[in-house]
Amino acid sequence: AQSVSQHNHHVILSEAASLELGCNYSYGGTVNLFWYVQYPGQHLQLLLKYFSGDPLVKGIKGFEAEFIKSKFSFNLRKPSVQWSDTAEYFCAVLSYNTDKLIFGTGTRLQVFP
Amino acid sequence: ETGVTQTPRHLVMGMTNKKSLKCEQHLGHNAMYWYKQSAKKPLELMFVYNFKEQTENNSVPSRFSPECPNSSHLFLHLHTLQPEDSALYLCASSQGARRGENNEQFFGPGTRLTVL
Repeated sequence: AQSVSQHNHHVILSEAASLELGCNYSYGGTVNLFWYVQYPGQHLQLLLKYFSGDPLVKGIKGFEAEFIKSKFSFNLRKPSVQWSDTAEYFCAVLSYNTDKLIFGTGTRLQVFP
Repeated sequence: ETGVTQTPRHLVMGMTNKKSLKCEQHLGHNAMYWYKQSAKKPLELMFVYNFKEQTENNSVPSRFSPECPNSSHLFLHLHTLQPEDSALYLCASSQGARRGENNEQFFGPGTRLTVL
């Protein structure tokens, strides 16, 4: 079955630390890739997306993600996290084969000042 | 009001009750979705509507019944639910429902449902 894996379920960092959250998917073929963020008490918001072109995608709030097709990965990165980045982060993949958007289980990020 | 709104934000119901969740999008989108978000599980797609037509029913039990009277409104009618149906129900919308650059989904705040 098609799936999206987020390896880190809970990440705890201090402010200014670097962040990398893993995301792998099991589909072949063309995909659209997304990272969504859910801040405490708020709704899911799009952080960044990849459709085509440059595999290094820049999103809001200093986040970026790199699509590595050979590794079926779309890892999220930020060089220096802030306390306000505390949230849950969801990777999502839309396969052109199914037209369904499939989400990972999410990674809870806690940043301490 | 802009974006995607959902009412009610919280709902507690007994197993014999009938209730409805409402979603409204103010983005001019053509596709709307219902998702279920349970603790420690991925978001589960339940239903997809594109131009008011249901295009996806992801093996959802019949105790959940969607309704899409127009492209801006989506309902989820609930009856004889089970305690395991307690979850956050999210509505989303997108310009289109299929592959391509207009399929970015915008989410509402969700309805926190508790079934007693």
